[in-house]
Amino acid sequence: AQSVTQPDARVTVSEGASLQLRCKYSYFGTPYLFWYVQYPRQGLQLLLKYYPGDPVVQGVNGFEAEFSKSNSSFHLRKASVHWSDWAVYFCAVSMTGGYKVVFGSGTRLLVSP
Amino acid sequence: AQTIHQWPVAEIKAVGSPLSLGCTIKGKSSPNLYWYWQATGGTLQQLFYSITVGQVESVVQLNLSASRPKDDQFILSTEKLLLSHSGFYLCAWSLAQGSNERLFFGHGTKLSVL
Repeated sequence: AQSVTQPDARVTVSEGASLQLRCKYSYFGTPYLFWYVQYPRQGLQLLLKYYPGDPVVQGVNGFEAEFSKSNSSFHLRKASVHWSDWAVYFCAVSMTGGYKVVFGSGTRLLVSP
Repeated sequence: AQTIHQWPVAEIKAVGSPLSLGCTIKGKSSPNLYWYWQATGGTLQQLFYSITVGQVESVVQLNLSASRPKDDQFILSTEKLLLSHSGFYLCAWSLAQGSNERLFFGHGTKLSVL
């Protein structure tokens, strides 16, 4: 069965520093992968999505993610974190042609001054 | 432009009481619709999805039911709430090609069962 693991429940980064949020997936076949961000008391917003092709995907607000089939990973990166990036980040995988989307447990990003 | 509206924004309900949460999507015809539940501080659990009016598929059993009475409306309900139903309920839609497309989420409903 498909699954997503985000091993870090909480990550603290200084403003201006670089960021990596980890995501490992388990899926038999070609995965479609997503990163979403959730601000307090709001729904989720899409940061970026991976469809089979270029392994590095560019998203909004300077975020990017790299797909690795050999490592079953889809880590999210940002070169310079801003205080407004303080939120919870979810990695998700969907089945090809299906209607089920599985989310990871989320990583809470804290930005220190 | 498409909009998604969830109601109510928040509910405080007693254990054993009924519940009805709603979701309306405007500006998009025949979307796929989804209900997700998020425990406090937790991950999102997909509850239901619907690809057409009158047809709803259950993903996980949580003593909840869902209906799609109109193309643009998705309802989540139960006749008897449990404490474990507390959390954040999110409605979402995607293009009709399937969940390979991105999900567009509503702002959610915070449910507290006491």
